[in-house]
Order: sequence, then structure tokens, then C-alpha cells
Amino acid sequence: KQEVTQIPAALSVPEGENLVLNCSFTDSAIYNLQWFRQDPGKGLTSLLLIQSSQREQTSGRLNASLDKSSGRSTLYIAASQPGDSATYLCAVSTDSWGKFQFGAGTQVVVTP
Amino acid sequence: EAGVVQSPRYKIIEKKQPVAFWCNPISGHNTLYWYRQNLGQGPELLIRYENEEAVDDSQLPKDRFSAERLKGVDSTLKIQPAELGDSAVYLCASSPGQAEQFFGPGTRLTVL
Repeated sequence: KQEVTQIPAALSVPEGENLVLNCSFTDSAIYNLQWFRQDPGKGLTSLLLIQSSQREQTSGRLNASLDKSSGRSTLYIAASQPGDSATYLCAVSTDSWGKFQFGAGTQVVVTP
Repeated sequence: EAGVVQSPRYKIIEKKQPVAFWCNPISGHNTLYWYRQNLGQGPELLIRYENEEAVDDSQLPKDRFSAERLKGVDSTLKIQPAELGDSAVYLCASSPGQAEQFFGPGTRLTVL
């Protein structure tokens, strides 16, 4: 069974620093990987989707990389802002129909 | 474009009572998912629909949980009777198929 781990569970950085969030998975035979953001008491907002054939995806200040052979994905957020404070979750799908296995998330606090 | 709509947003019930959650997916999205998210954890898939067909309900506790998507559009998830351990956030997501999932705001259930 696919297991997804996100370490650390929480981190705090000062505004302006770059954020590096890690996601590891045990089965490299993935279909795609999706990064989400979750604000307290709210649903998940899709940030980036990486197909298994891709090595990275970029959107604005966000960049996500994928290394299937090592079972890792990294989400980079450049020049963090207090508004980036949220929980970030990664989800891995091992089939084409989006049966995701989620990590527990990394709770991020960006201090002004 | 309207996002995934869920209601109610919050529900407090006593144990052994029934409860139902409603979800309206993004227009044109044939795939609909119900997830349960416990505090501090990532969402776990309960059931996935392709149009009106439940194609993956392997993680749905069928003794007390049921779901339907009668016309292949909106969906209802029901719990009867509710137990204390059912307290969680119930999330609905939709997808145009084999792609990104888009989540609703969730229903926070508290069972007393």
C-alpha cells in the first residue's frame, strides 16, 4: 500500500525566506502527484499537479519537483509571505482515476 | 465558474442519530469523491463515483455509511447511526476525469 509522509509536520519561517516542503512516497509507480493548500476550517485548494512523466511544475512563486526513483517531491515557495501560512498537503495517485493517498501535511507559519 | 458546493458547513448531532451531507460538483465533472479528514491528518477516500456509478467504495464503512449520486450530478453521503468516532470533516471533490481534483469547503461533523 502506498504510504505518503510529509516531514516536518510544522515549521515557522520569517517573511521573505524561501519555503521548502517535502513529500515522500513508498511506491514509485505513481500516476500523478498533487500539492494542496488548506486554510484552517476550509477545504483544499489545488496548487500544482505533476504528471508522472514530468519532473517539475511551476506557478508563480511555487515550484514543485518530482523524483519518482527516489520517491520524493518538493514544493518550493519563493519569498514567503504571511498569507502563505496554511497547511500544505501532498497527494499521490497510483491509478488514472485519482485514487489519492494523502500525507498528513506540513503546517506552515510565516511571521511578519 | 462555481466551485464544489457542500452543505451544511457544520453539523452537531448526538450519537445514534442519522446525518446527511450534500455535494454539488463543478459542472461537467463526471468524477465525484467523498473523503473523510480527521484532525491533523490528510483526507481518506470513502467513495468515488464515475457519473452515477460507485466505482470504488472499498473504504466506505457500509454498515452505517451510504451514498448516492442518482442523476450523475449532485451526491448525498449518509451516516446512520452516527458514532462518536465519526466526528471529522467530510470533504467532497470533483474532477473532469484523470486529472486534478477540486475540493469543496467540507462539512464539519461533531458527534456528541
